[in-house]
Amino acid sequence: DAKTTQPTSMDCAEGRAANLPCNHSTISGNEDVYWYRQIHSQGPQYIIHGLKNNETNEMASLIITEDRKSSTLILPHATLRDTAVYYCIVRVASNAGNMLTFGGGTRLMVKP
Amino acid sequence: DVKVTQSSRYLVKRTGEKVFLECVQDMDHENMFWYRQDPGLGLRLIYFSYDVKMKEKGDIPEGYSVSREKKERFSLILESASTNQTSMYLCASRIGGGDTEAFFGQGTRLTVV
Repeated sequence: DAKTTQPTSMDCAEGRAANLPCNHSTISGNEDVYWYRQIHSQGPQYIIHGLKNNETNEMASLIITEDRKSSTLILPHATLRDTAVYYCIVRVASNAGNMLTFGGGTRLMVKP
Repeated sequence: DVKVTQSSRYLVKRTGEKVFLECVQDMDHENMFWYRQDPGLGLRLIYFSYDVKMKEKGDIPEGYSVSREKKERFSLILESASTNQTSMYLCASRIGGGDTEAFFGQGTRLTVV
């Protein structure tokens, strides 16, 4: 199972881009990279996912390196409401299906 | 909108009690999950169900069991609650197949005294 490594915490100024890195050097060819975030006192929320191409949606962009060993989640204009723990997950396959396994995540603090 | 509802937001139980945590989703999702979240340890998967009456152990199943008698409901059972099971419990659901986002409930903060 591919594991992920993320910095424990990061700060970002309000209005600036927040770039959250994730290492997944043992990722398999058929595993996707998912990002979730968890705002205090709420359940995790899906942000974006990708296999090998860069992806963008209304919340964020996901940049995956060509060798797929790392990725970066980009919040283009961080707001105070983006303060949360961000989880990078590599989808795990099992006999029964695909489970979600969360690591420690990065605590992003957006400061005014 | 998909809704994942956990029966209690806060719960206080005594050591040795049998505890049921209920989770209901309204979108006919095949997959349902139970996690616990503790400071410094992130989210850890307890059990996972990929269909009715089907279940699979996650990373930390010891001390827990689950029940999935109906598709919309996934119950987490603590047969004999202990103080080290004091935690935030999160339920999630997802369409089967895995290549989709998971939706989480608001969580149940369980305190075992």
